[in-house]
Amino acid sequence: GENVGLHLPTLSVQEGDNSIINCAYSNSASDYFIWYKQESGKGPQFIIDIRSNMDKRQGQRVTVLLNKTVKHLSLQIAATQPGDSAVYFCAENKETSGSRLTFGEGTQLTVNP
Amino acid sequence: DTAVSQTPKYLVTQMGNDKSIKCEQNLGHDTMYWYKQDSKKFLKIMFSYNNKELIINETVPNRFSPKSPDKAHLNLHINSLELGDSAVYFCASSQLDPPREQYFGPGTRLTVT
Repeated sequence: GENVGLHLPTLSVQEGDNSIINCAYSNSASDYFIWYKQESGKGPQFIIDIRSNMDKRQGQRVTVLLNKTVKHLSLQIAATQPGDSAVYFCAENKETSGSRLTFGEGTQLTVNP
Repeated sequence: DTAVSQTPKYLVTQMGNDKSIKCEQNLGHDTMYWYKQDSKKFLKIMFSYNNKELIINETVPNRFSPKSPDKAHLNLHINSLELGDSAVYFCASSQLDPPREQYFGPGTRLTVT
């Protein structure tokens, strides 16, 4: 499953499928990007990050892709599980702005068993 | 061990009251933040402190006043509460240099009636 529209806030997938969550960032000078997962009633939890000198980074079952040409970030989750159901946020940072993170609107991922 | 903790988790109060939210981190980070998350899940930074010094102060009403007694604590005091202040407030912490992921607390759900 993939949310192809930048303004689609929801994505529904079957358990075991791969998920792709997309994010467009606004500042071409941003050089650090993070994906967060927020489960209901909890704070955002760090998943994976990537710096602008890379275009791909892999973690455990997750991969982040960065396309600086079109200012696009994506999070791929392999073999999606019910526990992956949450809201996913991308965030960007420009090093010269210090620690300021600008968050995207979030995508609600629902995994159907 | 809780890395970033906030109290209280829920806060229900009437318009016009003054309330405080407390935050503590035991990660040894030098920078702490307050974020506001609205009903649409949008996360926006309000303040940031580095080693007890204010470094980010977004356009927030003067009724909101952060205080950092030491680098492990950042409290948020709100005067003359208004209905529009109802939201979930998150505390976070990170290292500042280089920019790294921010670790979030569990949030404080503030309801103003």
